[in-house]
Amino acid sequence: EDQVTQSPEALRLQEGESSSLNCSYTVSGLRGLFWYRQDPGKGPEFLFTLYSAGEEKEKERLKATLTKKESFLHITAPKPEDSATYLCAVQASSNYQLIWGAGTKLIIKP
Amino acid sequence: SAVISQKPSRDICQRGTSLTIQCQVDSQVTMMFWYRQQPGQSLTLIATANQGSEATYESGFVIDKFPISRPNLTFSTLTVSNMSPEDSSIYLCSVDQASYGYTFGSGTRLTVV
Repeated sequence: EDQVTQSPEALRLQEGESSSLNCSYTVSGLRGLFWYRQDPGKGPEFLFTLYSAGEEKEKERLKATLTKKESFLHITAPKPEDSATYLCAVQASSNYQLIWGAGTKLIIKP
Repeated sequence: SAVISQKPSRDICQRGTSLTIQCQVDSQVTMMFWYRQQPGQSLTLIATANQGSEATYESGFVIDKFPISRPNLTFSTLTVSNMSPEDSSIYLCSVDQASYGYTFGSGTRLTVV
């Protein structure tokens, strides 16, 4: 069964304290892995798509990496405005549907 | 990437009534997706709407409860019918933007009292 598990459920960091969020997945053929940011009361905002193991993408303080079993979202020197829920989703090669993880709620304290 | 205008942004409704949510996209798209996000939970796909054909519903969701219209390539509506407090959620529409990923509307926060 296709499945996505995100950890931790919540993460509290001090401003400037770097860390990583994990997205473990099981899928029968990966078409793509997606990272989104969601602020309270808003729809998810697209961050990255990763397609193959070894691929990396960066955007400001965020860097996403992908292996055959998991993806990491590395946050370097975070700021309070990085506080949000980060969602991971995978798309199997057999169909277009996204399988979503439950998210990691990130809180950055000033 | 596409811009999706979703409305209403929030509503408080009486049980037993219906609410129609609208999504307007600023470009033509083949498929539009409707999601539900219950408090503190991740996204659950309700249905996929193609222009000119019946929507495809996921397990646990039925057309009588969540009728969908897709009259053209830029617009879709989702109706939540005969509402109960269990329908209180955020409802989101989404389109596939290929290299831009899936783009989402801002969501409709529904509270049923």
